[in-house]
Amino acid sequence: EAGVVQSPRYKIIEKKQPVAFWCNPISGHNTLYWYLQNLGQGPEVLIRYENEEAVDDSQLPKDRFSAERLKGVDSTLKIQPAELGDSAVYLCASSLNLANNEQFFGPGTRLTVL
Amino acid sequence: GDSVTQMEGPVTLSEEAFLTINCTYTATGYPSLFWYVQYPGEGLQLLLKATKADDKGSNKGFEATYRKETTSFHLEKGSVQVSDSAVYFCALIIQGGSEKLVFGKGTKLTVNP
Repeated sequence: EAGVVQSPRYKIIEKKQPVAFWCNPISGHNTLYWYLQNLGQGPEVLIRYENEEAVDDSQLPKDRFSAERLKGVDSTLKIQPAELGDSAVYLCASSLNLANNEQFFGPGTRLTVL
Repeated sequence: GDSVTQMEGPVTLSEEAFLTINCTYTATGYPSLFWYVQYPGEGLQLLLKATKADDKGSNKGFEATYRKETTSFHLEKGSVQVSDSAVYFCALIIQGGSEKLVFGKGTKLTVNP
């Protein structure tokens, strides 16, 4: 069974440019999360989806970040415009549903903003 | 709020040494507790978990016991291998609460041959 797939693995952009990250969760997993992991820190959740609905986006900086999961399967996280402080690893995770709280993580996208 | 505090690293051990990585938590509800491992260049993987007090999670020779009285979930392994070199994260989730995994900062382990 394929795991959580993320692309790209690495992205280097200049500040003020837009950037997008893509995630394909494990097949059949209804719950999808986006996490931000700063260097030397643990991941912090940005947004949680149940199918196509964003049920918790309280930690998402909505002035520049947006996310979508239109068909309740794969998801895109966007930053526009990017700032220097956005340099981090962006992780996607999925779980079967809320009752089954084991989350499976993708390899992440390492973003560098110059 | 909910938080996890784990032992600061890095930790460097010789092969076959005993490992302990301390983890304590603060939770507003009744948490489930996890240890995740991140090998170089790879994503986070669940190592073990425990969902109620006195439960012991175990996997690949690693163990951790959910201690409600001390709000702890320390990770142990009797004999580490070079292949155990990774970053280890302690985490909790409150069922019926925020439903978010709350992670500690991670502890980097290096095992030398």
